Amino acid sequence: DGGITQSPKYLFRKEGQNVTLSCEQNLNHDAMYWYRQDPGQGLRLIYYSQIVNDFQKGDIAEGYSVSREKKESFPLTVTSAQKNPTAFYLCASSTTGTGKETQYFGPGTRLLVL
Amino acid sequence: QKEVEQDPGPLSVPEGAIVSLNCTYSNSAFQYFMWYRQYSRKGPELLMYTYSSGNKEDGRFTAQVDKSSKYISLFIRDSQPSDSATYLCAMRGSSASKIIFGSGTRLSIRP
Repeated sequence: DGGITQSPKYLFRKEGQNVTLSCEQNLNHDAMYWYRQDPGQGLRLIYYSQIVNDFQKGDIAEGYSVSREKKESFPLTVTSAQKNPTAFYLCASSTTGTGKETQYFGPGTRLLVL
Repeated sequence: QKEVEQDPGPLSVPEGAIVSLNCTYSNSAFQYFMWYRQYSRKGPELLMYTYSSGNKEDGRFTAQVDKSSKYISLFIRDSQPSDSATYLCAMRGSSASKIIFGSGTRLSIRP
């Protein structure tokens, strides 16, 4: 089955701890994205990558970091610098270059602070 | 002012009713318009994808775009309890990496 997987489903972070959220896709999409979703708000873009070994900051990148070493994988690290990390994190992917791209989402990871 | 405005609801209608969900936007550069359905604690699922103005129909769902009014709609006919979810509108210009999402409308279909 083609799709996007995210793990874990739930993640707990202690004060001062960095945590990493996993995102894998087997859709052969070039572009991948990380969003944060808070209650009553739309999705906000954290980071995106249009090609391996390259990524750009989105609207709310502070306190987060990413890597894109493989086409299939785009992990997100929530660092201790992110003071309000409790949210639902969504990974997405899309094709590039056709002009008609849209984004397909994974099931999400809910991050909670202990 | 937000680029995309969407009434958060909640909207509650009886089973079988026609549902109308709407978004307004301010950026005239938006060309591609999407509707996503999101069940509780799940990722959004793409429902409809349209380009420029006009209507697009897919089963019980119809997406409508009026660029002159900067207004998009999603109609659901013969609504079912399984349609109960949050519906997110989304739109973009020429850059596929910059999609702007509405905050979502929570819809409940009463049996």
